[in-house]
Amino acid sequence: EVHLLESGGGLVQPGRSLRLSCAASGFTFNNYAMSWVRQAPGKGLEWVSGITGSGGSTSYGDSVKGRFTISRDNSKNTLYLQMTSLRAEDTAVYYCAKVLWSDDSLHLGPYDSWGQGTLVTVSS
Amino acid sequence: QSALTQPASVSGSPGQSITISCTGTYADVGANNYVSWYQQHPGKAPRLLIYDVSTRPSGVSSRFSGSRSGNTASLTISGLQADDEADYYCSPYTRSNTLLFGGGTKLTVL
Repeated sequence: EVHLLESGGGLVQPGRSLRLSCAASGFTFNNYAMSWVRQAPGKGLEWVSGITGSGGSTSYGDSVKGRFTISRDNSKNTLYLQMTSLRAEDTAVYYCAKVLWSDDSLHLGPYDSWGQGTLVTVSS
Repeated sequence: QSALTQPASVSGSPGQSITISCTGTYADVGANNYVSWYQQHPGKAPRLLIYDVSTRPSGVSSRFSGSRSGNTASLTISGLQADDEADYYCSPYTRSNTLLFGGGTKLTVL
């Protein structure tokens, strides 16, 4: 059974940094592209970033480009999101999500497995 | 605010059918066959219902179906059940190689 567990969220001041992690189990991690998707309180879903199974290619949404960095450690079955220059509008639950397809393409969806999410609150 | 248009809410009685629309442009919904739909219950993670416009993943009920006409994708739920009450999001892969989500539609089962 696929299991994704996010961690690293919390309260952070504007302008500071935070790193999220997503521990994966139940599948061959390096065979699948992964993404981060966020949801501001009471709002809809927003795609943040994606990475190929090998980690060789990445993509970012316009609202986080230049501030966030996605990466993965396939030896640890873990996905990361390094967030810098955080803003109030980055406040959201951050989900990691596994792509349906097994190859090394930069698939952005469809996502057949999701974690439970970790809340990031950016406030002074 | 999403560039995709979904109705904010829809409702139906148990046993009825409803359709949720997702209107975009040739650059997103109409760009290719990569449109997905997700269901999200309050406080829970999203769940994949439909991918590639009309394909159901294994384990998803046949009561859920997807289609597209031009730049509008649609999700139809037949035989409404109480547990279908949730938020629904469309999600197309765009011509600019990014992913969008619709603003979401709240389904109320009366």
